[in-house]
Parts: sequence; C-alpha cells; structure tokens
Amino acid sequence: GAVVSQHPSWVICKSGTSVKIECRSLDFQATTMFWYRQFPKQSLMLMATSNEGSKATYEQGVEKDKFLINHASLTLSTLTVTSAHPEDSSFYICSGRGGRNEQFFGPGTRLTVL
Amino acid sequence: GENVEQHPSTLSVQEGDSAVIKCTYSDSASNYFPWYKQELGKRPQLIIDIRSNVGEKKDQRIAVTLNKTAKHFSLHITETQPEDSAVYFCAASGGNYQLIWGAGTKLIIKP
Repeated sequence: GAVVSQHPSWVICKSGTSVKIECRSLDFQATTMFWYRQFPKQSLMLMATSNEGSKATYEQGVEKDKFLINHASLTLSTLTVTSAHPEDSSFYICSGRGGRNEQFFGPGTRLTVL
Repeated sequence: GENVEQHPSTLSVQEGDSAVIKCTYSDSASNYFPWYKQELGKRPQLIIDIRSNVGEKKDQRIAVTLNKTAKHFSLHITETQPEDSAVYFCAASGGNYQLIWGAGTKLIIKP
C-alpha cells in the first residue's frame, strides 16, 4: 500500500507553546488528507479534511484558529496546535486519500502538553 | 450525517475459534466499508474492505460480509491466533471520502 510518514512521532511541550506536525505522502499524491485525534481507548475522531490548495474543512467542535492546517502541496499537510494546553494531549494521526476511498495512515504523533 | 455503531466493544475468544464483529451504518449512500486493525500506540492498518456492489469478500482467514438492505456489515476472523489480538475498527464512507468510524472492538485471543 501507499506510504504516509508523520513527524515528529512524539513531542512534549510546555503549556502555551505551539507544535507543528507534518504529514507526507511518500509515494503517491494525496489531493485530500485527513487529520484525526485519538484519546486513549477511544476511536479515531476526524478533526478536519484538508484539500491541496484550499482551506481545510473542520468538523463541528474543532477550533480552526487553534488547529491550523496547511496543505500546500500534494504530498505535504501540516497541523499546528497553537497555544497548546494539557487537554490537547492526544495521539494525532493523519491519512492521505488514495485513488478511491482508501485512506493510508501515518504512524501518528503523540503529543504531551505539560 | 452518517453514524456507525459497532459491537461488541470487547470480544474474548479461544485461540483457534472464530471471531465476529458487527457494524451498522445509517446513511444508505455510503458505499465503502473498510476494517482496520490497530495495535496499541500504532497506526490503524487496513485489513480488508468491501464496496457496496459486493456482498462478501474473503482474504485467507478474514472475511467481510455486507447487507445493504439492512445496513449491516461484519468482520469474520477464522482460526484465530494470538497475533490477532488488537482493537478492530469498522468504518463507512460515501461520496465525500470521509471515514465515519465505529467505536472499536477489543479482540482478546485466549491461549
């Protein structure tokens, strides 16, 4: 299957700082990328849908000014968690959409906000 | 919008027995139904998927069935092995390509 990388794999930051997470499709072009958040023992929760060259579409309850998404190219999307707080600590996973409905997932980023 | 329900939340089976996980969806326009396996701290991995024009699909010990009329789809794992222990998620997707996820099933394979 197609390969998606994500960086960093884990990050610890102080409350109030911003953290940027990169998601790259390595061997295919992803016109659409998705960002998910997963809390322990829970399912994946879609945060936003990111289309190359346009503004991301955020799910209800997700603050677009807090979670900044940029999808500047067909192989790179970034998620910036601004002014992070302890409640933002979670596992963040991106995925890139393949030719049809298939989504290929990155390895995830574990964010811990102190 | 679409809603996906998944049952059971936990399933414990003896090694070698079969495991069945069931999901229902609400949006009749959904046409793609993948199943993912997720091990602790790792990314979800696609194990099998089915599209709405097919009723059943099999890949070695894993099979998925789809009943469009009833809006049900199920994952069947036969001859379970210890490495099958993980959390399994079903999902449904339609024209907007978004995946709507079930809550997950923790599968425990007892030796």
